[in-house]
Amino acid sequence: DTGVSQNPRHKITKRGQNVTFRCDPISEHNRLYWYRQTLGQGPEFLTYFQNEAQLEKSRLLSDRFSAERPKGSFSTLEIQRTEQGDSAMYLCASSTGRVSGYTFGSGTRLTVV
Amino acid sequence: GQQVMQIPQYQHVQEGEDFTTYCNSSTTLSNIQWYKQRPGGHPVFLIQLVKSGEVKKQKRLTFQFGEAKKNSSLHITATQTTDVGTYFCAGLTGNQFYFGTGTSLTVIP
Repeated sequence: DTGVSQNPRHKITKRGQNVTFRCDPISEHNRLYWYRQTLGQGPEFLTYFQNEAQLEKSRLLSDRFSAERPKGSFSTLEIQRTEQGDSAMYLCASSTGRVSGYTFGSGTRLTVV
Repeated sequence: GQQVMQIPQYQHVQEGEDFTTYCNSSTTLSNIQWYKQRPGGHPVFLIQLVKSGEVKKQKRLTFQFGEAKKNSSLHITATQTTDVGTYFCAGLTGNQFYFGTGTSLTVIP
């Protein structure tokens, strides 16, 4: 098992463009989380899935953000009409249960210019 | 909403000195976890505390969960340069963990 994999590692996009990130969790983990982290801050919760069901979304997740986890395996996070304020590190994590430690991926660093 | 604050925000210590970071929540937490993030890296899970007043040790690291389950601390004895990084607490409320603001530790050789 290679842990949680995220790609791309870096993404530079022009304002107004759409971007999509992918996360491949640890295969035995049924829970998958998306967090956003800006410089000097802790990770902020965006959304989480249990298997294929998206069970909770943060108020931080505007209508321009959408996440999917088809078949309960990998997940994608799409940001439409990107804004400069979307620039951040987007972290994916997976776990075996509600109270289990999270295993984070290396993240996708988004820069909106 | 859920707020988890950590102090101090930054800490510089000489190698060999002790270090402590404190985590405080505005609400009672079911569990608390601690993570370490090296510069340029991602958070790595260290430990989880569940019971009121619980104390756990990992080599030079000692973790405590407050009696009221609203605060926690991480203490590192005799810091080493390998301890450099940002330490985050994360409190469980509902179905996910809310991360604190982090304490960035610099160890001066």
